[in-house]
Amino acid sequence: QSALIQPRSVSGSPGQSVTISCTGSSSDVGGYIYVSWHQHHPGKAPKLMIYDVNKRPSGVPDRFSGSKSGNTASLTISGLQAEDEADYYCCSYAGSYTLVFGTGTKVTVL
Amino acid sequence: EVQLVESGGGVVQPGGSLRLSCEASGFTLISYWMHWVRQAPGKGLVWVSRINSDGSGTSYADSVKGRFTISRDNAKNTLYLQMNSLRAEDTAIYYCARDPGNYGSDHWGQGTLVTVSS
Repeated sequence: QSALIQPRSVSGSPGQSVTISCTGSSSDVGGYIYVSWHQHHPGKAPKLMIYDVNKRPSGVPDRFSGSKSGNTASLTISGLQAEDEADYYCCSYAGSYTLVFGTGTKVTVL
Repeated sequence: EVQLVESGGGVVQPGGSLRLSCEASGFTLISYWMHWVRQAPGKGLVWVSRINSDGSGTSYADSVKGRFTISRDNAKNTLYLQMNSLRAEDTAIYYCARDPGNYGSDHWGQGTLVTVSS
């Protein structure tokens, strides 16, 4: 149950795009469609942004998109806005009804 | 409005026990799987445990297996986490999260802080 690997931080100016990678293995990210992304502002409840690799829950802006290639999933934020500054975590099903989260990425809006 | 409210956190000595609760409102708890996820100070989110909708199926992270027990009372719309033999490394904010069945936790609580210290 090793954590999925994410970059510690990414940054961009307002209006730019940033992409966060999430690298696992064939036992988690590469083996299932159950990859989700969660936004977390410290002190608040985490918020689901993407589920099933690339689906957006109702209310999440279409600036947020997800994808997967092999053992690596990605979250792209297009048209970066100040309120997007937060920590982002990927999460994958890892078999036997268990989940594994990523190490987390801090997104900074310059 | 969907709400999840955790309670039961506090300070406990190593080796002690604590029971966390997560009260659900705005939806029917029995329709959903539920998870506990924790975040140690300055660290990332870590999955702890999951329970299916009727409570007949549970799973745990290796780090808590044999020490923690997840359960639910659907009649009371409440999820629980019984934590025994607590260790310093269990110190964290504990969140409950709702799962519609696709392992994408679509609603989370605000968390409750557990501190294990002598």
